[in-house]
Amino acid sequence: GAGVSQSPSNKVTEKGKDVELRCDPISGHTALYWYRQRLGQGLEFLIYFQGNSAPDKSGLPSDRFSAERTGESVSTLTIQRTQQEDSAVYLCASSFSGTEYQPQHFGDGTRLSIL
Amino acid sequence: GDSVTQMEGPVTLSEEAFLTINCTYTATGYPSLFWYVQYPGEGLQLLLKATKADDKGSNKGFEATYRKETTSFHLEKGSVQVSDSAVYFCALSGTGRRALTFGSGTRLQVQP
Repeated sequence: GAGVSQSPSNKVTEKGKDVELRCDPISGHTALYWYRQRLGQGLEFLIYFQGNSAPDKSGLPSDRFSAERTGESVSTLTIQRTQQEDSAVYLCASSFSGTEYQPQHFGDGTRLSIL
Repeated sequence: GDSVTQMEGPVTLSEEAFLTINCTYTATGYPSLFWYVQYPGEGLQLLLKATKADDKGSNKGFEATYRKETTSFHLEKGSVQVSDSAVYFCALSGTGRRALTFGSGTRLQVQP
């Protein structure tokens, strides 16, 4: 597709369950980012992948959060033992090369609601 | 660490009014600066960018100039339309960190 694709678009789950969110970046984009947007707030960085380099995990809020990416393709963000404070929109973005000059292109996000 | 500060909203304007949304930043080195827009029910879209001091980014009638001396990147538009109603985010990408650092967003409401 032409843009960043995320699935599911909405996810409602019970506290304590695990969830997996998927991101399909723009073809040819080597850099992939995950952000979290809580209601009424700006975006918080979670994790960054660049090619085959070790990911920058400095934004992950706890060890319940993890993410994987195979090569330059799809990424999955996993949240284990979800808590109510995990409720947010999770946004994925990709960019051509990961330099600071390249704009990031965002997907529409996954709205996660923890009951 | 890097940070971005935006004026708080909501900003309510009448159609054809002049718009300014203030954005200042703190960063080491020479970051790139961006404005993103989020229209109701839609995802984040890049509005404009500037990658070095004194650069002016522009798109859809919006402009912002990278001012290193005042560490600012204020968004302006000469005549807003109802269709400009959205949330606007200022962001930076630092030289040592590829992830974007975002401001908290400013909601713009344009009334006919």
